Amino acid sequence: GAGVSQSPSNKVTEKGKDVELRCDPISGHTALYWYRQSLGQGLEFLIYFQGNSAPDKSGLPSDRFSAERTGGSVSTLTIQRTQQEDSAVYLCASSSGHGRLEKLFFGSGTQLSVL
Amino acid sequence: KQEVTQIPAALSVPEGENLVLNCSFTDSAIYNLQWFRQDPGKGLTSLLLIQSSQREQTSGRLNASLDKSSGRSTLYIAASQPGDSATYLCAVPNSGNTPLVFGKGTRLSVIA
Repeated sequence: GAGVSQSPSNKVTEKGKDVELRCDPISGHTALYWYRQSLGQGLEFLIYFQGNSAPDKSGLPSDRFSAERTGGSVSTLTIQRTQQEDSAVYLCASSSGHGRLEKLFFGSGTQLSVL
Repeated sequence: KQEVTQIPAALSVPEGENLVLNCSFTDSAIYNLQWFRQDPGKGLTSLLLIQSSQREQTSGRLNASLDKSSGRSTLYIAASQPGDSATYLCAVPNSGNTPLVFGKGTRLSVIA
């Protein structure tokens, strides 16, 4: 596609429910990242996929968070048993190769609100 | 662990002024440094990427410099315009590896 696409753009859920956030990276991009941006805070790294390598999950804040990337393209971030502190904007980014050498392209994010 | 700091946190200037945004990082063993722009309610847009072997990059009215040894970068915006109003973030790869570590950004307001 023309850019990184994320859905939904907004999600309101009740505490304790599970949510799934979707990211469609730019076609052909092998690297995909998930970040979280809380109000007034910087971007917090969550997880990184590079090609067929095992993902870097070092940023996931708890075992309630998981992500997968099917067929080396679309990625889904799942948050189980959501808590109010999970409320944030979840941003997905992709790059054409090794992210440390190349520009990242970000989607517009999913605003998650946990009531 | 890499830490990135941006000063000032917020800046308000009249239209037409030249301005400088600052970024510092703790681990100088970086591959590159990127500057991003974020508009309210939007994702990030990459503005400039400086490789570790470079000292500066220019794009239009934007000029970014990099001093690896001192752990600093600046983003210079010439002849500022109201459309430049946004949050500007800098980011560097984590020590020896991805992913990018971001500063908290500088929120710029250019007043017409």
